Amino acid sequence: EAGVVQSPRYKIIEKKQPVAFWCNPISGHNTLYWYLQNLGQGPELLIRYENEEAVDDSQLPKDRFSAERLKGVDSTLKIQPAELGDSAVYLCASSLDKGEQFFGPGTRLTVL
Amino acid sequence: QKEVEQDPGPLSVPEGAIVSLNCTYSNSAFQYFMWYRQYSRKGPELLMYTYSSGNKEDGRFTAQVDKSSKYISLFIRDSQPSDSATYLCAMGRGGNTPLVFGKGTRLSVIA
Repeated sequence: EAGVVQSPRYKIIEKKQPVAFWCNPISGHNTLYWYLQNLGQGPELLIRYENEEAVDDSQLPKDRFSAERLKGVDSTLKIQPAELGDSAVYLCASSLDKGEQFFGPGTRLTVL
Repeated sequence: QKEVEQDPGPLSVPEGAIVSLNCTYSNSAFQYFMWYRQYSRKGPELLMYTYSSGNKEDGRFTAQVDKSSKYISLFIRDSQPSDSATYLCAMGRGGNTPLVFGKGTRLSVIA
């Protein structure tokens, strides 16, 4: 069974540029999460989707971040414009019903 | 006070040692408790998943949950250099609610 797929794995951009991350969850997993992991910290939730619906996005900085999950499968997270403080690892995870969350490899973003 | 506290280490042990990792938490609503292992530049990998209090064993790994003390532990027996990684505790209220993570403990097992 394929795991959670994320791309790109690494991204380097100049500040004020836009950037997008893509995630494909484990097949059949209805819940998808985007987490942010800063260096030396545990992941922190940005947004959670139940199928197509964003049910928990209180930690998403909506002035510059947006996300979508069309058709309830894969998802895209966008930052526009990026700031220096956005440099971090962006992790996608998915789960079915029991709450066991499985993570992808992450996208490491560097903003210069 | 953060919801989940975890000593970041680093922790260095000789090969074959028993490793004890732990976390404390403050939210009594947490029902699900997990341990993830994260290698450098990789995503977190689910190691152990426990519901409510009690022990769970899987090979060299044992997870313990003491809800009365709000304390969870992960024991690694016969530690190997390949166990060198950051170990993250995580907990949730139930279902597919978001997990709250500790900072992670960095472990090095020296051959």
